[in-house]
Amino acid sequence: GAVVSQHPSWVICKSGTSVKIECRSLDFQATTMFWYRQFPKQSLMLMATSNEGSKATYEQGVEKDKFLINHASLTLSTLTVTSAHPEDSSFYICSARDRTRIRTIYFGEGSWLTVV
Amino acid sequence: DQQVKQNSPSLSVQEGRISILNCDYTNSMFDYFLWYKKYPAEGPTFLISISSIKDKNEDGRFTVFLNKSAKHLSLHIVPSQPGDSAVYFCAASLYSGTYKYIFGTGTRLKVLA
Repeated sequence: GAVVSQHPSWVICKSGTSVKIECRSLDFQATTMFWYRQFPKQSLMLMATSNEGSKATYEQGVEKDKFLINHASLTLSTLTVTSAHPEDSSFYICSARDRTRIRTIYFGEGSWLTVV
Repeated sequence: DQQVKQNSPSLSVQEGRISILNCDYTNSMFDYFLWYKKYPAEGPTFLISISSIKDKNEDGRFTVFLNKSAKHLSLHIVPSQPGDSAVYFCAASLYSGTYKYIFGTGTRLKVLA
């Protein structure tokens, strides 16, 4: 199956600093990548959709200046949490849509962010 | 407004028996449905999908059934194995300028040995 890799898996940062999470599609080209956030015992909350080479589309209530998303190539998207606060601590997951299997999305392993 | 619902938060099944996970949706514009399996602290793993032009899709032990008139889909796992214990998410997709995927809240399946 298609492989999506996220890095880092775990990150701890100080309040006020920024942290970047990478999402790579390893064996396919992803024209679209999605970023989700999951709170404990809750579903996946879509934060934004990014298409390669264009600006990300953010869901209602998601601060675009706080969660910067870049999708510079067909295999890489990045999520940067700027000026992180403890309430940003969460499990962040990316997914990517394979351009050859256009309706199926594949997920990365997720990244745990803890802001102290 | 929860467009995709998984009304059973948890399900326990004996090993070897059938597991049936259910999912309901409200938006008739959804035309593609997917099931994912998720272990704690990991990303969801794609299991099986179905297009709205079909009513059944089978892949090994996994079968997905779609009832469009009832806006209901289900995932059957047979025979269930202890390794199937995980949280299962259904997702519904539509195209509105871009592809969107809406996830249910998940059902925790526990397969008892």
